Amino acid sequence: SQELEQSPQSLIVQEGKNLTINCTSSKTLYGLYWYKQKYGEGLIFLMMLQKGGEEKSHEKITAKLDEKKQQSSLHITASQPSHAGIYLCGAVHRRTSYDKVIFGPGTSLSVIP
Amino acid sequence: SAVISQKPSRDICQRGTSLTIQCQVDSQVTMMFWYRQQPGQSLTLIATANQGSEATYESGFVIDKFPISRPNLTFSTLTVSNMSPEDSSIYLCSVSDRDYGYTFGSGTRLTVV
Repeated sequence: SQELEQSPQSLIVQEGKNLTINCTSSKTLYGLYWYKQKYGEGLIFLMMLQKGGEEKSHEKITAKLDEKKQQSSLHITASQPSHAGIYLCGAVHRRTSYDKVIFGPGTSLSVIP
Repeated sequence: SAVISQKPSRDICQRGTSLTIQCQVDSQVTMMFWYRQQPGQSLTLIATANQGSEATYESGFVIDKFPISRPNLTFSTLTVSNMSPEDSSIYLCSVSDRDYGYTFGSGTRLTVV
């Protein structure tokens, strides 16, 4: 099984609706990162979470880290077509500054106007 | 955040040939990471490159196929050797960025024909 799982695999929502994407790790989390990728483009950094219970928001996107459950969630409020893309969570499983990031399989989000 | 310049941005190569991808960072970094993203898939870590030592390869990746150089703290190359159509992917380099998680280059889109 994969070290990181994401759910759902894909999501189609009406513009204006809220949505949540989950990322679950099979190992202890020492850092959790959320990225967005549009087709054919590079990765856009969204959030970095490093402490249990940490919650960060940027514009209409909020990410939380539940360290005990080894989970993170990404919530988008009042979705817009510009939110469409692939959302990737990446995890660091060691307590160092420079360890490798392992990525989940991604969640494809489509927002219908 | 660190700025990464990756070259080439795309290439079409004949099977059996090799391609070297360059990654230049605008600041000194300890670790550089090379990822592969196969069509429709998430990112898979190929290897971690530490300046002054041999790269550390992930399971399923070998030095003969993906030799890596790391001559200084701002530069690294990844070579994809003896290419086959299965090597058609996007290859990305990444560095750790204290405030922005891990920064990625824009990627090299490789097509092997």
